[in-house]
Amino acid sequence: DAGVTQSPTHLIKTRGQHVTLRCSPISGHKSVSWYQQVLGQGPQFIFQYYEKEERGRGNFPDRFSARQFPNYSSELNVNALLLGDSALYLCASSTRRDFYGYTFGSGTRLTVV
Amino acid sequence: GQQLNQSPQSMFIQEGEDVSMNCTSSSIFNTWLWYKQDPGEGPVLLIALYKAGELTSNGRLTAQFGITRKDSFLNISASIPSDVGIYFCAGNSGNTPLVFGKGTRLSVIA
Repeated sequence: DAGVTQSPTHLIKTRGQHVTLRCSPISGHKSVSWYQQVLGQGPQFIFQYYEKEERGRGNFPDRFSARQFPNYSSELNVNALLLGDSALYLCASSTRRDFYGYTFGSGTRLTVV
Repeated sequence: GQQLNQSPQSMFIQEGEDVSMNCTSSSIFNTWLWYKQDPGEGPVLLIALYKAGELTSNGRLTAQFGITRKDSFLNISASIPSDVGIYFCAGNSGNTPLVFGKGTRLSVIA
């Protein structure tokens, strides 16, 4: 069975640009969460979606947005990129509406130059 | 954002030694989780704890949910080279997102 798949695996962007990261959950999982992991730190919660509705939002600026599609895949969008946005962006999926039972993907490594 | 206090930050141990790491929170948690992250991968769940005082094992790994509900520890017995990686604690209370520690980087010397 395929796990949580994220694309792209790596990308480099310039300050001020926009980026879209994609996530496909495990088959049958209706919940997707996004986390940001800066080098040397633990993951920080950004968003959670369940059945296409936003269920939670972390302490991130409005430059960060996300959505979930009818097939439960998800996109994370970041506008006006800053150097500090450089991080590993992790997607996790679950069958549950709450914040338990998540399986993480391998992440997208974003470098902003 | 909030992060848990996890210690030690890093450890260098000999193969076969036991390892202990812990995590504390300023808030009471209902759930404590322990993850391992290998380079280039996402965190993988090792042990989940749902009750104060709970002691749970997964092979050579043992974790406990502190009675105060503000701490947890993870022990690894008889370490082997594949135990190398970064170990994260995480917790939450009620229906809130997981909060992670900064991780403990474990290096095993053969």
